[in-house]
Amino acid sequence: QKEVEQNSGPLSVPEGAIASLNCTYSDRGSQSFFWYRQYSGKSPELIMSIYSNGDKEDGRFTAQLNKASQYVSLLIRDSQPSDSATYLCASQYSSASKIIFGSGTRLSIRP
Amino acid sequence: NAGVTQTPKFQVLKTGQSMTLQCAQDMNHNSMYWYRQDPGMGLRLIYYSASEGTTDKGEVPNGYNVSRLNKREFSLRLESAAPSQTSVYFCASSARGGEAQYFGPGTRLTVT
Repeated sequence: QKEVEQNSGPLSVPEGAIASLNCTYSDRGSQSFFWYRQYSGKSPELIMSIYSNGDKEDGRFTAQLNKASQYVSLLIRDSQPSDSATYLCASQYSSASKIIFGSGTRLSIRP
Repeated sequence: NAGVTQTPKFQVLKTGQSMTLQCAQDMNHNSMYWYRQDPGMGLRLIYYSASEGTTDKGEVPNGYNVSRLNKREFSLRLESAAPSQTSVYFCASSARGGEAQYFGPGTRLTVT
């Protein structure tokens, strides 16, 4: 069974600090990885895609991918209360027409 | 450009009733998906359509049917609703299978 694993949290981070969210995946053939943010009562919203080993930055967000360790992370710099949400990690099944989601990490930014 | 739209937003059914959830996308995407999300369970794939004219089962297909009506529209039907189908249902689309998915606002379904 191909899986994407995340710590469910909650992860509590003070405002202005760096929030670090982690994810591991079991399918060594996965090529594409995604981070989604989901506010309570809302639908998931894509915030980052990453396909190559290393870091990818977009504003306050940095995605990191290490295919050798089968590990994906999301860093949120200068965390704001508006970043409080559940963050879902997802990866593509190798050669498949779908992606698999982790169960999400709940992040809480405390003022 | 509305993205992915879903109707209805809320629905209450009695056990045994049937209904169809509608989904449409205006992004010219090839692939479409139906998920359900229950507390503590994450997103579970019900059915997907990699391209117009094809549909495939996902992780939890029992009790559901789908129709890919055309490239834009993908509907989910509950033939005989059960309380276990109480959930939030999300439709999503992607340019091609395995690529980033974009979600609709969801349908909150309660079966009593």
